[in-house]
Amino acid sequence: GAVVSQHPSWVICKSGTSVKIECRSLDFQATTMFWYRQFPKQSLMLMATSNEGSKATYEQGVEKDKFLINHASLTLSTLTVTSAHPEDSSFYICSARDFRDPAGSPLHFGNGTRLTVT
Amino acid sequence: GEDVEQSLFLSVREGDSSVINCTYTDSSSTYLYWYKQEPGAGLQLLTYIFSNMDMKQDQRLTVLLNKKDKHLSLRIADTQTGDSAIYFCAETLDFLISSGSARQLTFGSGTQLTVLP
Repeated sequence: GAVVSQHPSWVICKSGTSVKIECRSLDFQATTMFWYRQFPKQSLMLMATSNEGSKATYEQGVEKDKFLINHASLTLSTLTVTSAHPEDSSFYICSARDFRDPAGSPLHFGNGTRLTVT
Repeated sequence: GEDVEQSLFLSVREGDSSVINCTYTDSSSTYLYWYKQEPGAGLQLLTYIFSNMDMKQDQRLTVLLNKKDKHLSLRIADTQTGDSAIYFCAETLDFLISSGSARQLTFGSGTQLTVLP
């Protein structure tokens, strides 16, 4: 089946530094990938929609200069948390859809990245 | 806007059936999904149902959809300790982008299922 690889799975960084999270579709091409954030014991919140070759679309309240998204190829999207602060500590999950899949096919999710900012 | 609601907690005894409920508001939803999330892990797709279906069964899992009431349920038969996890229902919003169509998911809050021995 389709696999989405997310890396790293866990990262600890110091406040003020930047962290890059990668999301790769391993055996399919994804024109669109989605980035979610999940706080402890809460649901997933969509942060942005990443479109290959164009700018990402951010949800209301998500700072585009804070969370930089680059979708440079059909198999890779990256999320960079810039100048991270402790309140950015969270679980970040990406998902992707195989562009060949018929309508209604589910998204494929990565295993998530746990970010801890000290 | 869309809103998906679930109860937060459910406890059942091993071997019993579990029923996790979900209500949604967007009547234009075409697909509804159930995902499972184990601690510290990503989401695992369990099953999904098209909105013109009333029921879908897949081994121990049964999904019931009442489109009139916008109510979705997931029944797990013979619940096992390995079923302990958070279960999310989600509805879709399809939208068009330059390269075709894309799909967003709106998730419920998740239901923490605890299976007691």
